[in-house]
Amino acid sequence: KAGVTQTPRYLIKTRGQQVTLSCSPISGHRSVSWYQQTPGQGLQFLFEYFSETQRNKGNFPGRFSGRQFSNSRSEMNVSTLELGDSALYLCASSLRVPTEKLFFGSGTQLSVL
Amino acid sequence: AQSVTQPDIHITVSEGASLELRCNYSYGATPYLFWYVQSPGQGLQLLLKYFSGDTLVQGIKGFEAEFKRSQSSFNLRKPSVHWSDAAEYFCAVGTKMEYGNKLVFGAGTILRVKS
Repeated sequence: KAGVTQTPRYLIKTRGQQVTLSCSPISGHRSVSWYQQTPGQGLQFLFEYFSETQRNKGNFPGRFSGRQFSNSRSEMNVSTLELGDSALYLCASSLRVPTEKLFFGSGTQLSVL
Repeated sequence: AQSVTQPDIHITVSEGASLELRCNYSYGATPYLFWYVQSPGQGLQLLLKYFSGDTLVQGIKGFEAEFKRSQSSFNLRKPSVHWSDAAEYFCAVGTKMEYGNKLVFGAGTILRVKS
């Protein structure tokens, strides 16, 4: 069974641009969560989707948004990029919520210049 | 609010030596606790988890962790470290929300293994 797939693997953008990251969960998983990882702030929860509905949201500005499609694939979007948005963005999927186990993808490394 | 503290940013151990990584948490209710490992440029892999029951939990790759409620700790241990264990280790507390779940992570401990 394929794992969580995140695309692209690396991304370079400039300040003010917007970016869309994609996450394909494990087949059959209906929950997708997003986390931001930076050297300064560590791993921080962005949001979680289940059955196309946002269930939970972390403390991030409105520039960060996401959505989930009927096939459970998810995208997150960051508008008006800032230098501080440079990070590894990790997606995790689970079969159900609440859950005992999150499966993480390898992440998308975003660099904002 | 929930929080997780990993007091050691870096730890270096010799191959074959024992390992203990410390984790302290703050959470009002019964916590769900996890240890994840991350190799450079990779995602997180679950080593083990504690939800309830036996306070000593076994995980993959020979790791174990002990939940001590009185000390609010969930330390990770391994009796004999292998060079391939070099990675960054994250302790996390899970918050069980009505419609979902999220993890609050510690800052991580980087493990170096010397031969």
